Amino acid sequence: AQKVTQAQTEISVVEKEDVTLDCVYETRDTTYYLFWYKQPPSGELVFLIRRNSFDEQNEISGRYSWNFQKSTSSFNFTITASQVVDSAVYFCALSANTGGFKTIFGAGTRLFVKA
Amino acid sequence: GAVVSQHPSRVICKSGTSVKIECRSLDFQATTMFWYRQFPKQSLMLMATSNEGSKATYEQGVEKDKFLINHASLTLSTLTVTSAHPEDSSFYICSAGQPSYGYTFGSGTRLTVV
Repeated sequence: AQKVTQAQTEISVVEKEDVTLDCVYETRDTTYYLFWYKQPPSGELVFLIRRNSFDEQNEISGRYSWNFQKSTSSFNFTITASQVVDSAVYFCALSANTGGFKTIFGAGTRLFVKA
Repeated sequence: GAVVSQHPSRVICKSGTSVKIECRSLDFQATTMFWYRQFPKQSLMLMATSNEGSKATYEQGVEKDKFLINHASLTLSTLTVTSAHPEDSSFYICSAGQPSYGYTFGSGTRLTVV
């Protein structure tokens, strides 16, 4: 079975702090994709990153970085120097071969960044 | 990039009526589209997989007779909530794409049944 666990329900930080959002996934497939999405209060899902199971390279995009570790089945997301505009719900998601590549979402982490 | 258009963005309907939500892939063909439902402060739950030219595949616990899905063309899937009740009020969102290229999500439809 596929499963995504985001243990942090809510995180509150002060602007300019760094924050890491945790994501642990479960799948028996060797071919799968991991995603992070941002959902601001307006509701739309904003795609942040996609990583396939064969590429464990970490990635940095501006203030965002991702740490993919297959050994611990984790795909953590770090925001450096957080800003108020980063306040949103962040979802980690998994899409695997066995599931017909349906996207399964974690419960989400609500991030509050205070000025 | 791939664009998915979802319409309407908001709809209010009376209890007992039916509501149709459209999901269109604007610049690519989508043989498969997915429909999700999101209750307030909860995650997105997959309702069904919409397959072009064939029946949709519903997730466990989702009533196929209540949530009718039609995927008649490579660019359009529709979700009809039949005989809507207040408990059907939710945020419905569709997606289309390929796992290797990523999925694009529509902007969502906020349904309120009064």
